[in-house]
Parts: sequence; structure tokens; C-alpha cells
Amino acid sequence: GPKVLQIPSHQIIDMGQMVTLNCDPVSNHLYFYWYKQILGQQMEFLVNFYNGKVMEKSKLFKDQFSVERPDGSYFTLKIQPTALEDSAVYFCASSPGQQNTLYFGAGTRLSVL
Amino acid sequence: GEQVEQLPSILRVQEGSSASINCTYENSASNYFPWYKQEPGENPKLIIDIRSNMERKQTQGLIVLLDKKAKRFSLHITDTQPGDSAMYFCAASGYAQGLTFGLGTRVSVFP
Repeated sequence: GPKVLQIPSHQIIDMGQMVTLNCDPVSNHLYFYWYKQILGQQMEFLVNFYNGKVMEKSKLFKDQFSVERPDGSYFTLKIQPTALEDSAVYFCASSPGQQNTLYFGAGTRLSVL
Repeated sequence: GEQVEQLPSILRVQEGSSASINCTYENSASNYFPWYKQEPGENPKLIIDIRSNMERKQTQGLIVLLDKKAKRFSLHITDTQPGDSAMYFCAASGYAQGLTFGLGTRVSVFP
């Protein structure tokens, strides 16, 4: 089936540093999402993105977070600066349209030390 | 926004029996309700979904029911097998919203 690729699978950084998580969504999909999952807990919506713009973001999407997809390349989540509480697995997802199936990537485990 | 409650958090069932997970939502504008299965260390995978124009949907041993008046939807796994052991998440979405997930149910199927 359609695959969403996330790079890297695991990232370890020191608190205060910047990190960029990369997502290669399904090629013909138009809507892109980031979710945050702390171990064993639910996935929490961060942001969705369409046509080059953020459509909706949650309270978890702090000012230190930003997303972009320059020229149809990777859909990225940047955190600058990182904090200890940012440690989690971040899942990228994409869908062909609104209210369509979301396809999730394998996640990037972010460890902030 | 949306809030989704999911119960139970843990469900142990004997192989061959059925398992039921219940979710409620708050936003009456939500009209898309997918269910995801997540195995340890893996990404969530869609297993079945239902839209608000339906009350029941069935596929490959899975049944979902939707009661719009009660804002409640449920997943029923019939004839459970060891491979059904996983985390299951319900979710709800309205127009132009991202999916809001429930807290998840850890299903364990024992012999």
C-alpha cells in the first residue's frame, strides 16, 4: 500500500539544539500531518498542512515548532530550541484529501537529553 | 476542537471470543471515524473506518457501529486471534480538522 517515509528513525540531541524531522509523504497526497506520541499513550495532533500553509494546529504546536514543504520536497517539522518534554515519537501522515484515510509513517523517535 | 473518550484502556480476551471497544466524541460536526491498530514499535495502520452517513460497517472479522445521536461508535473484533493483540485507537474528525485520537485500548488475546 501507499508508504510514508520518515527520516531519521531515531534522533538524539541535547536540549536547546535545533532538530528537523523529515517526512516523504505519499506522492499524490495533498494533506500532511504531524502527530506526537509519548510512549504507550495516544497520538496527539500537532498540525495539518495543505497547499503550502498550516490549516490547523493544536495547543501542543508550540512557538518553537514550525513546518514547511519547500517545492514539494520533504515535509519537515522543525523544533528550535528543543526542550526535554519534546522527547516522543513523532509520526508524519498524509492523505489524498480531507476526511480521507491517513497513512502514517514509521515515526521518528526523538530523544532530548 | 474535538475530544474522544475510549474505553476500556486494557482488554484481555480468550482466543475465539469477541472484543469490543467503545468511543464517544463531543463535536456533532465530526463525520469521519477511523480505527487504527498499532503494534509495538510500528506505525498505526487503518483497519476500518465509518462515515456519518452509515450506522454499521463490516470487513474481515471487524464490525464498527456508529450512533450519531449518542455520539458513540464502537469496534467489535469477532473470533479474536493472537495476531489481534495490539493497541487500538479510535479517532474522530470533522471538516478541515485533523484526527483526534482516543487514549487507546491494549488488547491481549490469550489461548
